[in-house]
Formats: sequence, C-alpha cells, structure tokens
Amino acid sequence: LAKTTQPISMDSYEGQEVNITCSHNNIATNDYITWYQQFPSQGPRFIIQGYKTKVTNEVASLFIPADRKSSTLSLPRVSLSDTAVYYCLVGDISGGYNKLIFGAGTRLAVHP
Amino acid sequence: NAGVTQTPKFQVLKTGQSMTLQCAQDMNHNSMYWYRQDPGMGLRLIYYSASEGTTDKGEVPNGYNVSRLNKREFSLRLESAAPSQTSVYFCASRGNQPQHFGDGTRLSIL
Repeated sequence: LAKTTQPISMDSYEGQEVNITCSHNNIATNDYITWYQQFPSQGPRFIIQGYKTKVTNEVASLFIPADRKSSTLSLPRVSLSDTAVYYCLVGDISGGYNKLIFGAGTRLAVHP
Repeated sequence: NAGVTQTPKFQVLKTGQSMTLQCAQDMNHNSMYWYRQDPGMGLRLIYYSASEGTTDKGEVPNGYNVSRLNKREFSLRLESAAPSQTSVYFCASRGNQPQHFGDGTRLSIL
C-alpha cells in the first residue's frame, strides 16, 4: 500500500490560491490518487480523484506529474469556509475503497 | 436529503457495556464501510461490506462486529466496550462514485 506524506498544516488568506502537495513515492501502477476534505464534526467529503496529468472540477484541480510520485491539490481563491483538514489517499480502487488509507491530513487555516 | 444517516450522534458507555451503532443509506449503494477516527488522526477502517450479504475486516477490526442487515443498513456492534474504543465512528457508502460519509457517532467509554 502506497504511503503518503503531506504537510501537517498550512495557512492562507482569503482570495489566495492554495496548493497542497502530497508525496507518494511508492505508488503502484493501478493506484489512483483521491483527495477528501473534512470539516469539524463532519465526515470526510470527496473533492477530486485522478490517475495522471491534470484533473479539474468545480471545486479544485489536481496536478499529477509524469512519474506520479507526488500530486498537488490546488484550491483557487480560498475563502474562510475552506478551512478544513485535507486528506490525500493513494490506492487501487478497482476492488473498492477498502484499500485506501487515511493519513493525518493537512490542516488548512484560511484567515481574513 | 439523500445520504448516510448514523444513529445515535452521541453516546456514553461504561466499560463492559454493549452497544450497536446504526448506519443507513438511501442511495442504493452496494458498498458500506465503518471507520473510527481518534483525535488528530485520520480515519481507520474497521469493517466493510462490498455488497449485501458480505462483510470483511479492515485495518482495526478487533473488538467489533458488523451486520449488513440489508442493502440499506450496516450496523457496528461493540460487545464489551473498552476505554480504547472511545472515538468518533463514521459510516460511509459507495456506488459508482467515491464514498459518501455520515456525520459520525461520538462514543465515549468510561
């Protein structure tokens, strides 16, 4: 199972772009990269998922270099409501999500 | 609203008591999951059910049992609660898209 490394915490200000990088040096060929967001007293919420290159949705972008040993979650123009913990998970999802392991995540604080 | 519903939201138990946490989803998802989250940590998988009628152990199954009652419901049982099981418990379900999570059950064992 691929292990991930993320910064423990990050600070930003409203209106800025935030990039959170996740390292996964041992990623396997069949592994996907999935990001979740968790607010206090709530369950995690899916943000974005990708395998290679770039994925974009209405919430975020995910950049994955060719070697796939890292990935970067990009949140454009953050607001106070983006203050949350962000988790990077790497694993083979073909058989289900039981192989995905949550680390401690990155605690993002957005300031006025 | 559609989603994953967990009951109860809060519970306090004494050591040795038993308890069943309930989870129901109304999205017709095949897979369901139980996680625990300890302070400052990520979620750890306790048990999962890939489909109705099947259950499998996750990363930390000791001290727990599960029942996939039907496609909608997946319960987690603590037969003899221990203080080490004090945690927030999350249930999740999944269809063709990534998981949907409930808002958790906060369980304290004294």
